[in-house]
Amino acid sequence: QITLKESGPSLVKPTQTLTLTCTFSGFSLNTGGVSVGWVRQPPGKALEWLALIYWDDDKRYSPSLKTRLTVTKDTSNKQVFLTLTSVDPLDTATYYCAHRREYCSGGACEAFDFWGPGTLVTVSS
Amino acid sequence: SYVLTQPPSVSVAPGKTARLTCGGTNIRSKSVNWYQQKPGQGPVLLIYYDTDRPSGIPERFSGASSGNTATLTISRVAAGDEANYYCQVWDSSSYQVVFGGGTKLTVL
Repeated sequence: QITLKESGPSLVKPTQTLTLTCTFSGFSLNTGGVSVGWVRQPPGKALEWLALIYWDDDKRYSPSLKTRLTVTKDTSNKQVFLTLTSVDPLDTATYYCAHRREYCSGGACEAFDFWGPGTLVTVSS
Repeated sequence: SYVLTQPPSVSVAPGKTARLTCGGTNIRSKSVNWYQQKPGQGPVLLIYYDTDRPSGIPERFSGASSGNTATLTISRVAAGDEANYYCQVWDSSSYQVVFGGGTKLTVL
């Protein structure tokens, strides 16, 4: 059974750096074809993809946030980390991590099949 | 960058069929995923690889893709299907995950 859970501060001040942890179980991030993604959702708004980290440590970022985002992993402790620098009230959102599975050979056919419950982060002074 | 367009809202009477669309340039060439998100909950994968359902997802939910439009069809709609629905693809030209803006389904 795959599970993921996000953790981190619920309140962050503007200009500070936000670090979130995704702790997972039921899979290994050493397995080929597996990746973990981060997605956020401002209150009342749509899902927004932030970052991906692959089993081979390849990383992808949303172009609009690329300069502020860093994703890393600790495979042995089954954790993935997301860092967002210079936060602003517009970064207030529920942040989700999700397991991403490849459904065909050749790539470009992955989907987020398991999601964490999300963690609400408020940016306010 | 690649853009997915969804109508903000769709309404349907109980027992009827709802068709939710997701528009994107030549979307048929991409693998489309659909997620359901109920109020206060995280997203749930409904359809992957255009048409496939994960285990546990009812057959009432089906997906299709043609030309520039992907469609999620919900048959025999029930009150419990009220939710926001998001389409999503991988844009291999820019190495991005792309979500649509979501459609709120209202059961009348």
